[in-house]
Amino acid sequence: AQSVAQPEDQVNVAEGNPLTVKCTYSVSGNPYLFWYVQYPNRGLQFLLKYITGDNLVKGSYGFEAEFNKSQTSFHLKKPSALVSDSALYFCAVRLDTGRRALTFGSGTRLQVQP
Amino acid sequence: EAQVTQNPRYLITVTGKKLTVTCSQNMNHEYMSWYRQDPGLGLRQIYYSMNVEVTDKGDVPEGYKVSRKEKRNFPLILESPSPNQTSLYFCASSFLRTGSTRSTDTQYFGPGTRLTVL
Repeated sequence: AQSVAQPEDQVNVAEGNPLTVKCTYSVSGNPYLFWYVQYPNRGLQFLLKYITGDNLVKGSYGFEAEFNKSQTSFHLKKPSALVSDSALYFCAVRLDTGRRALTFGSGTRLQVQP
Repeated sequence: EAQVTQNPRYLITVTGKKLTVTCSQNMNHEYMSWYRQDPGLGLRQIYYSMNVEVTDKGDVPEGYKVSRKEKRNFPLILESPSPNQTSLYFCASSFLRTGSTRSTDTQYFGPGTRLTVL
Protein backbone atom coordinates (compact mmCIF):
# COMPACT_ATOMS: atom_id res chain seq x y z
CA ALA A 1 0.00 0.00 0.00
CA GLN A 2 1.16 3.52 -0.67
CA SER A 3 0.74 6.52 1.59
CA VAL A 4 1.64 10.18 1.81
CA ALA A 5 2.11 12.30 4.90
CA GLN A 6 1.98 16.06 5.04
CA PRO A 7 2.86 16.73 8.66
CA GLU A 8 1.80 20.38 8.75
CA ASP A 9 -1.84 21.40 8.45
CA GLN A 10 -0.79 24.99 7.91
CA VAL A 11 2.39 26.87 7.06
CA ASN A 12 2.69 30.60 7.61
CA VAL A 13 5.39 32.68 5.93
CA ALA A 14 5.96 36.34 5.28
CA GLU A 15 5.95 37.58 1.72
CA GLY A 16 9.44 37.53 0.24
CA ASN A 17 10.66 34.77 2.57
CA PRO A 18 11.45 31.27 1.38
CA LEU A 19 8.79 28.63 1.93
CA THR A 20 8.86 24.88 2.40
CA VAL A 21 5.88 22.54 2.46
CA LYS A 22 6.83 19.07 3.67
CA CYS A 23 5.86 15.72 2.23
CA THR A 24 6.99 12.18 2.99
CA TYR A 25 5.81 9.07 1.23
CA SER A 26 5.73 5.33 1.55
CA VAL A 27 5.48 3.05 -1.46
CA SER A 28 6.91 -0.26 -2.55
CA GLY A 29 8.26 0.20 -6.01
CA ASN A 30 9.34 3.17 -8.05
CA PRO A 31 7.35 6.23 -6.97
CA TYR A 32 6.03 8.98 -9.16
CA LEU A 33 5.58 12.08 -7.00
CA PHE A 34 3.40 15.09 -7.66
CA TRP A 35 2.46 18.42 -6.17
CA TYR A 36 -0.92 19.99 -6.83
CA VAL A 37 -2.33 23.31 -5.63
CA GLN A 38 -5.98 24.08 -4.92
CA TYR A 39 -7.29 27.63 -4.81
CA PRO A 40 -10.67 28.36 -3.19
CA ASN A 41 -13.59 26.99 -5.21
CA ARG A 42 -11.22 25.67 -7.85
CA GLY A 43 -10.02 22.26 -8.92
CA LEU A 44 -6.53 20.95 -8.43
CA GLN A 45 -3.83 22.47 -10.58
CA PHE A 46 -0.70 20.51 -11.39
CA LEU A 47 2.53 22.14 -10.15
CA LEU A 48 5.31 19.64 -10.77
CA LYS A 49 6.26 16.00 -10.77
CA TYR A 50 9.22 13.72 -10.17
CA ILE A 51 9.52 10.68 -12.37
CA THR A 52 13.22 9.96 -12.59
CA GLY A 53 16.53 11.75 -13.07
CA ASP A 54 17.53 14.98 -11.39
CA ASN A 55 16.37 15.09 -7.78
CA LEU A 56 15.52 18.79 -8.01
CA VAL A 57 12.40 19.34 -10.04
CA LYS A 58 11.25 22.74 -11.21
CA GLY A 59 7.59 23.49 -11.81
CA SER A 60 5.04 26.20 -12.36
CA TYR A 61 4.97 29.62 -10.64
CA GLY A 62 8.57 29.38 -9.43
CA PHE A 63 8.02 26.30 -7.29
CA GLU A 64 10.50 23.45 -7.06
CA ALA A 65 10.69 20.22 -5.13
CA GLU A 66 13.53 18.02 -4.01
CA PHE A 67 13.26 14.26 -4.14
CA ASN A 68 15.20 12.53 -1.38
CA LYS A 69 15.08 8.77 -1.72
CA SER A 70 16.86 7.95 1.54
CA GLN A 71 14.47 10.12 3.54
CA THR A 72 11.47 9.26 1.32
CA SER A 73 10.65 12.94 1.10
CA PHE A 74 9.52 15.31 -1.61
CA HIS A 75 9.37 18.77 -0.06
CA LEU A 76 7.96 21.69 -2.03
CA LYS A 77 9.98 24.90 -1.98
CA LYS A 78 9.98 28.41 -3.30
CA PRO A 79 12.77 30.95 -2.75
CA SER A 80 10.48 33.97 -2.32
CA ALA A 81 6.83 33.61 -1.35
CA LEU A 82 4.04 35.74 -2.79
CA VAL A 83 0.71 36.55 -1.17
CA SER A 84 -0.92 34.97 -4.24
CA ASP A 85 0.74 31.64 -3.32
CA SER A 86 -1.71 31.30 -0.44
CA ALA A 87 -3.66 28.12 -1.17
CA LEU A 88 -4.04 24.46 -0.24
CA TYR A 89 -1.19 22.24 -1.40
CA PHE A 90 -1.38 18.50 -1.92
CA CYS A 91 1.43 16.02 -2.33
CA ALA A 92 0.58 12.80 -4.17
CA VAL A 93 2.30 9.55 -5.07
CA ARG A 94 1.55 6.74 -7.42
CA LEU A 95 3.33 3.70 -8.72
CA ASP A 96 4.54 3.43 -12.28
CA THR A 97 2.25 0.47 -12.94
CA GLY A 98 -1.17 -0.81 -11.98
CA ARG A 99 -4.26 1.34 -11.67
CA ARG A 100 -2.28 4.55 -11.48
CA ALA A 101 -4.35 5.86 -8.60
CA LEU A 102 -2.90 8.94 -7.02
CA THR A 103 -2.64 8.69 -3.25
CA PHE A 104 -2.87 12.15 -1.77
CA GLY A 105 -1.71 13.62 1.48
CA SER A 106 -4.22 15.44 3.65
CA GLY A 107 -3.08 18.82 2.35
CA THR A 108 -1.19 21.79 3.79
CA ARG A 109 -2.66 25.24 3.83
CA LEU A 110 -0.06 27.86 2.95
CA GLN A 111 -0.72 31.35 4.25
CA VAL A 112 1.60 34.09 2.99
CA GLN A 113 1.33 37.31 4.96
CA PRO A 114 2.00 40.68 3.32
CA GLU B 1 -8.81 25.05 -24.51
CA ALA B 2 -7.76 21.68 -23.08
CA GLN B 3 -9.89 20.96 -20.06
CA VAL B 4 -11.87 18.58 -17.90
CA THR B 5 -15.43 19.72 -17.26
CA GLN B 6 -17.88 18.53 -14.65
CA ASN B 7 -21.59 19.14 -14.20
CA PRO B 8 -23.24 20.15 -12.05
CA ARG B 9 -20.79 22.17 -9.99
CA TYR B 10 -23.10 22.20 -6.99
CA LEU B 11 -25.90 19.82 -6.09
CA ILE B 12 -28.13 19.42 -3.07
CA THR B 13 -30.29 16.31 -3.05
CA VAL B 14 -32.12 13.98 -0.70
CA THR B 15 -31.34 10.47 0.41
CA GLY B 16 -32.25 7.83 -2.14
CA LYS B 17 -32.76 10.07 -5.16
CA LYS B 18 -30.59 8.81 -8.01
CA LEU B 19 -28.17 11.29 -9.50
CA THR B 20 -25.45 11.48 -12.12
CA VAL B 21 -22.42 13.75 -12.18
CA THR B 22 -21.00 14.13 -15.65
CA CYS B 23 -17.34 14.42 -16.57
CA SER B 24 -15.98 15.22 -20.00
CA GLN B 25 -12.47 15.82 -21.33
CA ASN B 26 -11.37 17.15 -24.70
CA MET B 27 -7.76 15.96 -24.64
CA ASN B 28 -8.32 12.46 -26.07
CA HIS B 29 -7.11 10.93 -22.81
CA GLU B 30 -7.47 7.20 -22.33
CA TYR B 31 -7.36 7.25 -18.53
CA MET B 32 -10.12 8.82 -16.45
CA SER B 33 -10.78 8.67 -12.75
CA TRP B 34 -13.12 9.91 -10.03
CA TYR B 35 -11.95 11.08 -6.61
CA ARG B 36 -13.72 12.38 -3.56
CA GLN B 37 -12.21 14.96 -1.24
CA ASP B 38 -13.07 15.04 2.44
CA PRO B 39 -11.51 17.28 5.11
CA GLY B 40 -8.38 15.80 6.60
CA LEU B 41 -8.42 12.83 4.23
CA GLY B 42 -7.07 14.32 1.04
CA LEU B 43 -8.47 12.82 -2.17
CA ARG B 44 -9.43 9.19 -2.47
CA GLN B 45 -10.04 7.34 -5.71
CA ILE B 46 -13.56 6.01 -6.31
CA TYR B 47 -13.36 4.42 -9.77
CA TYR B 48 -11.09 4.61 -12.76
CA SER B 49 -11.12 3.70 -16.42
CA MET B 50 -8.22 2.74 -18.64
CA ASN B 51 -10.24 3.10 -21.84
CA VAL B 52 -13.71 2.74 -23.33
CA GLU B 53 -15.66 -0.06 -21.66
CA VAL B 54 -12.77 -0.70 -19.22
CA THR B 55 -13.54 0.38 -15.66
CA ASP B 56 -12.45 -0.78 -12.23
CA LYS B 57 -12.81 0.01 -8.55
CA GLY B 58 -10.59 2.41 -6.67
CA ASP B 59 -10.22 2.72 -2.91
CA VAL B 60 -13.77 3.77 -2.01
CA PRO B 61 -16.19 2.40 -4.65
CA GLU B 62 -19.14 1.50 -2.39
CA GLY B 63 -22.33 3.29 -3.36
CA TYR B 64 -21.05 4.46 -6.74
CA LYS B 65 -21.22 3.29 -10.34
CA VAL B 66 -19.49 4.50 -13.47
CA SER B 67 -19.65 3.88 -17.19
CA ARG B 68 -17.31 4.60 -20.08
CA LYS B 69 -19.23 4.31 -23.32
CA GLU B 70 -17.27 7.06 -25.04
CA LYS B 71 -13.66 8.06 -24.65
CA ARG B 72 -14.38 11.63 -23.62
CA ASN B 73 -17.10 10.98 -21.01
CA PHE B 74 -16.95 9.25 -17.64
CA PRO B 75 -20.14 9.84 -15.60
CA LEU B 76 -20.37 9.04 -11.90
CA ILE B 77 -23.70 7.54 -10.82
CA LEU B 78 -25.11 7.44 -7.32
CA GLU B 79 -28.06 5.04 -7.47
CA SER B 80 -29.24 5.73 -3.92
CA PRO B 81 -27.27 8.57 -2.37
CA SER B 82 -26.76 8.69 1.38
CA PRO B 83 -25.56 11.51 3.65
CA ASN B 84 -22.09 9.93 3.96
CA GLN B 85 -21.63 10.63 0.26
CA THR B 86 -21.73 14.35 0.92
CA SER B 87 -18.37 15.41 -0.42
CA LEU B 88 -16.41 17.29 -3.06
CA TYR B 89 -15.94 15.19 -6.18
CA PHE B 90 -13.22 15.53 -8.78
CA CYS B 91 -12.85 13.94 -12.16
CA ALA B 92 -9.35 13.56 -13.61
CA SER B 93 -7.88 12.36 -16.89
CA SER B 94 -4.52 11.59 -18.45
CA PHE B 95 -2.88 9.84 -21.34
CA LEU B 96 -2.06 6.18 -20.96
CA ARG B 97 0.60 5.12 -23.38
CA THR B 98 -0.51 2.17 -25.44
CA GLY B 99 1.63 -0.92 -25.33
CA SER B 100 3.40 -0.02 -22.14
CA THR B 101 2.67 -0.71 -18.52
CA ARG B 102 4.49 2.45 -17.59
CA SER B 103 2.91 5.85 -17.79
CA THR B 104 4.43 9.07 -16.58
CA ASP B 105 1.54 11.17 -17.69
CA THR B 106 0.08 13.78 -15.39
CA GLN B 107 -3.54 13.60 -14.32
CA TYR B 108 -5.50 16.80 -14.94
CA PHE B 109 -8.47 17.62 -12.77
CA GLY B 110 -11.88 19.11 -13.33
CA PRO B 111 -13.21 22.01 -11.22
CA GLY B 112 -15.06 19.78 -8.79
CA THR B 113 -18.69 19.05 -7.88
CA ARG B 114 -19.85 19.82 -4.38
CA LEU B 115 -22.57 17.34 -3.45
CA THR B 116 -24.77 17.56 -0.38
CA VAL B 117 -27.08 14.67 0.45
CA LEU B 118 -29.73 15.50 3.05
